Amino acid sequence: EPEVTQTPSHQVTQMGQEVILRCVPISNHLYFYWYRQILGQKVEFLVSFYNNEISEKSEIFDDQFSVERPDGSNFTLKIRSTKLEDSAMYFCASREQANSPLHFGNGTRLTVT
Amino acid sequence: RKEVEQDPGPFNVPEGATVAFNCTYSNSASQSFFWYRQDCRKEPKLLMSVYSSGNEDGRFTAQLNRASQYISLLIRDSKLSDSATYLCVARGNAGNMLTFGGGTRLMVKP
Repeated sequence: EPEVTQTPSHQVTQMGQEVILRCVPISNHLYFYWYRQILGQKVEFLVSFYNNEISEKSEIFDDQFSVERPDGSNFTLKIRSTKLEDSAMYFCASREQANSPLHFGNGTRLTVT
Repeated sequence: RKEVEQDPGPFNVPEGATVAFNCTYSNSASQSFFWYRQDCRKEPKLLMSVYSSGNEDGRFTAQLNRASQYISLLIRDSKLSDSATYLCVARGNAGNMLTFGGGTRLMVKP
């Protein structure tokens, strides 16, 4: 069964550093997402991406965040200057159609020290 | 008010028991609903979509009540492997964003 893959599985970075989280969505999917989950809290929406542009973003997704799909396969989330409170599990997800269920990658655990 | 609200639990049940989870959503224009399962420190995995007429998949039954803005999940004959957090998810009428509830934790004991 095709799956969403994310790298790295764990990223440790110092406060103020830039990080890039990488995702390869399922190949025939058209809608791409980033979610995050702070330990012990709920899954929170960050951003959705369709047709090579952001379609929606949450209040969490401020100017420090950006997304890109540079080569038609990878989908990346960049955090420009990380803060301690950015420590969380970041999940990439994709789906084939607007009404299809989301398929999640296995996440990148980001630890900001 | 939380957009998607769930009782966090935990629900502690013996093997073989029937257990039901409820979920309420605040956006009356929400179009699609799903139940996801999340194991500790893992990604959410789709359990089932929820249809207006109700739907069943093996031991799992999902119901939607649009008038009350209420979704339920029933698990029959609980297995130890059903122990997980169950996430209620709603999609709004505009855009593609899915909103997650905080999850209900289930622990099935031998």
